[in-house]
Amino acid sequence: QVQLQESGPGLVKPSETLSLTCVVSGYSISSGYYWGWIRRPPGKELEWVGSISYSGSTYYRPSLKSRVTISVETSKNQFSLKLSSVTAADTAVYYCARQMSYNNGWAIDYWGQGTLVTVSS
Amino acid sequence: QSALTQPPSASGSPGQSVTISCTGTSSDVGYYKYVSWYQQHPGKAPKLMIYEVSQRPSGVPDRFSGSKSGNTASLTVSGLQADDEADYYCLSYVAINNLVFGGGTKLTVL
Repeated sequence: QVQLQESGPGLVKPSETLSLTCVVSGYSISSGYYWGWIRRPPGKELEWVGSISYSGSTYYRPSLKSRVTISVETSKNQFSLKLSSVTAADTAVYYCARQMSYNNGWAIDYWGQGTLVTVSS
Repeated sequence: QSALTQPPSASGSPGQSVTISCTGTSSDVGYYKYVSWYQQHPGKAPKLMIYEVSQRPSGVPDRFSGSKSGNTASLTVSGLQADDEADYYCLSYVAINNLVFGGGTKLTVL
């Protein structure tokens, strides 16, 4: 059974960088699929943040592209999210996820439980 | 990119059928066959119910079905059961290499 678990600070100061890691178990990242981050700000809809392929190709939400970096560390079977220059608008529950191929519309077949990140001084 | 439009709530009695709509534009739902649906119970991670408009992943009951007409995709839950009570979200691919979610629908089993 594929499982994903997010970890990282729950509180980040404005203008700093939000960093989260997702550890994957039950499947080897280097074997395929896409690996992504989704967030839900309080009271708002889910929002795709970005994805990375098993080979390292990255795809980012256009409105976040200048601030987002997603990377994969196959030796640890994990992938990471960095979001720079955060503001209160980046406060959200962040989910990591496994995504199917482009031919399946990048549907998300496994999700982490989610972790709340609050941006506040 | 604007979020897809879903009704905030839907309801039905046990055994009945309920359909949840997801309306986008000719640039997302209307153009691509890449619409997926997710079920989320409180405090739980979302679960994939439908992908590519109407495909069911292994393990998802055939009471759940998906369809699309024009710019609107739909999720139908037949033979409603108490455990179907949850939030449901749609997701569509949109060019180029972008994804957009619906606002979510809270399904209540009366």
